[in-house]
Formats: sequence, structure tokens, C-alpha cells
Amino acid sequence: RKEVEQDPGPFNVPEGATVAFNCTYSNSASQSFFWYRQDCRKEPKLLMSVYSSGNEDGRFTAQLNRASQYISLLIRDSKLSDSATYLCVVNPGGGAQKLVFGQGTRLTINP
Amino acid sequence: GAVVSQHPSRVICKSGTSVKIECRSLDFQATTMFWYRQFPKKSLMLMATSNEGSKATYEQGVEKDKFLINHASLTLSTLTVTSAHPEDSSFYICSARTVTDTQYFGPGTRLTVL
Repeated sequence: RKEVEQDPGPFNVPEGATVAFNCTYSNSASQSFFWYRQDCRKEPKLLMSVYSSGNEDGRFTAQLNRASQYISLLIRDSKLSDSATYLCVVNPGGGAQKLVFGQGTRLTINP
Repeated sequence: GAVVSQHPSRVICKSGTSVKIECRSLDFQATTMFWYRQFPKKSLMLMATSNEGSKATYEQGVEKDKFLINHASLTLSTLTVTSAHPEDSSFYICSARTVTDTQYFGPGTRLTVL
């Protein structure tokens, strides 16, 4: 089983739609969780951290369910510029503070 | 956010040559940097953790003699791909960790070995 699993997509949705991504992780001791965004042939950029209480940043809402080892990202009122690959990222703990990446979910917003 | 640079951004080399990639944290000091590799349509895979002033920690399956890492200062880590072969062609990305444990990524180096 992969440490971090995501539906690779692709997701194709019209502009203005709401889209949701899910992610599961295998290590119950994982300490911190993130969503990164990666554009084609570019480096990943931090979109938001994910907290147990859930957190929102503008049109983006992230939630964490530690009991189910499940992370989600919701994008409301999607824009063309939201087209990218969204990476679910987990810090499994331990002193090195490594990050483990999911394979990413490809999203295309259509006009 | 914090800025991390990588150089070169793109390199094409002949099989058997060595290639050095630099990763710099421009506006903060990073005691820990990470080196990743990403093949097309695949996820980033951590290769090694680079610690300032000590030996790098390599992930399982990554040859330390093939991928030499040096982290000589708090703002610079280098990755040298020795005797590169076509199968080493990939997108190499570094990241630097801040004191708040956030990782910022460099823009990546696209290596093509002919």
C-alpha cells in the first residue's frame, strides 16, 4: 500500500464549479499534512496546511480526519487558473521532517 | 514566502559525465535541505536529506556514490550526479526547511542525459 494515495484523475470541470479531492495516508502516526499545487514542469508550491479542525483560505477548504486517515481539499467557484496538479503531502513524523507526496490529482478547469 | 533557487535550470549532457546541481536558500538559513526526483507523470520521490555539516541521509534504493550530496553552508546544498546515464534523466528538485518546518521548493533542474 502506498503511504499517500490520491485519485490521479484527471478531473475536467467547468469554470465556476466546485471540485473536491480526497487523499488517504497509511501511517497513523503522521504529524502534519499539506496540499501543494504543481503546475506543468514547475516545482510544487504550498497551497495550504491541513489542520484537524479544518481550515479555509478563500475558495479553498481543507479537512483532516485522523480516525479515517483521510484528507480532503474543496475548491469553490473554480477559476481557469486553478488548473494544475494537486499534491497531497504528509509528514510521517520522526526527526528528519521528511515529506511524502501522493502522486497528485490533475485538474483542468474548462471555460 | 521564502525563496529557494536552483542552478542550472536545465542541463543536457553526454552519458558518462558528471553534473552538479546547486540549491540555495536566498533569504533564510536552512540546516536541512531535501533532494527529490520526479519522473514524468509520477510523484516526487525523496532521494536524500542533506544536513549542514554532516553526511546526507539517503533513502532506500538511492546510491550514495552515484548521487553525491554536499551541504557545506547553511544556504547551499549541492547534488552531483556522477557518471550520468540516460536513465538518470529526470526533474531534480530541492527543498529547504525553515525553522517553522515549512519546506520551500526550488524551481527544479531538468536533466537530460544523451
